[in-house]
Amino acid sequence: NAGVTQTPKFQVLKTGQSMTLQCAQDMNHEYMSWYRQDPGMGLRLIHYSVGAGITDQGEVPNGYNVSRSTTEDFPLRLLSAAPSQTSVYFCASRASGTGIWHTEAFFGQGTRLTVV
Amino acid sequence: KQEVTQIPAALSVPEGENLVLNCSFTDSAIYNLQWFRQDPGKGLTSLLLIQSSQREQTSGRLNASLDKSSGRSTLYIAASQPGDSATYLCAAPLYFTQGGSEKLVFGKGTKLTVNP
Repeated sequence: NAGVTQTPKFQVLKTGQSMTLQCAQDMNHEYMSWYRQDPGMGLRLIHYSVGAGITDQGEVPNGYNVSRSTTEDFPLRLLSAAPSQTSVYFCASRASGTGIWHTEAFFGQGTRLTVV
Repeated sequence: KQEVTQIPAALSVPEGENLVLNCSFTDSAIYNLQWFRQDPGKGLTSLLLIQSSQREQTSGRLNASLDKSSGRSTLYIAASQPGDSATYLCAAPLYFTQGGSEKLVFGKGTKLTVNP
């Protein structure tokens, strides 16, 4: 049972380069999201999706794009990398739940990105 | 706006001690709260999800409680072991979309060290 899988685990980019962080889940979860974790800032939501074809912005979306063409995959694209995007990125997923019963969120192992 | 606070930021205990980690939140209108464990350089591992109707939730040596009226949750770890050393994070959902939230508001964590 793989859960949430993120690739790559580590990446170094030069300023201005673009890249895609991959996220895949095998739990048939409707909801997927991307967070970044920075020292002293905690985890902050970048983008999220409530199902295939539906995405929306979180609190720090600038410089990132997402799309959700399948239930399983939710890639995060950095359009033109900047040093401020040096961070650890986490992908999460959860089932949609029923009513007010919010379901458990599962996280991937993270991608450590350095922009030089 | 939901704010989540975890105090203390760090805690060091001898092996075998029972301990309590604290989590406070400002908006008591939550449906649940989730506790995570994060090992250095690793992702977040879900420990317990406690619904608002459940005053307590238990898994092995872990017990989480939720008191909405006081805006507090506690994670009790019984008979601590060196393998419990990690950062413990609590998170509450922030509801800003119809049909369910995709934002988890995280505390900044308590770094636990259990000394042999």
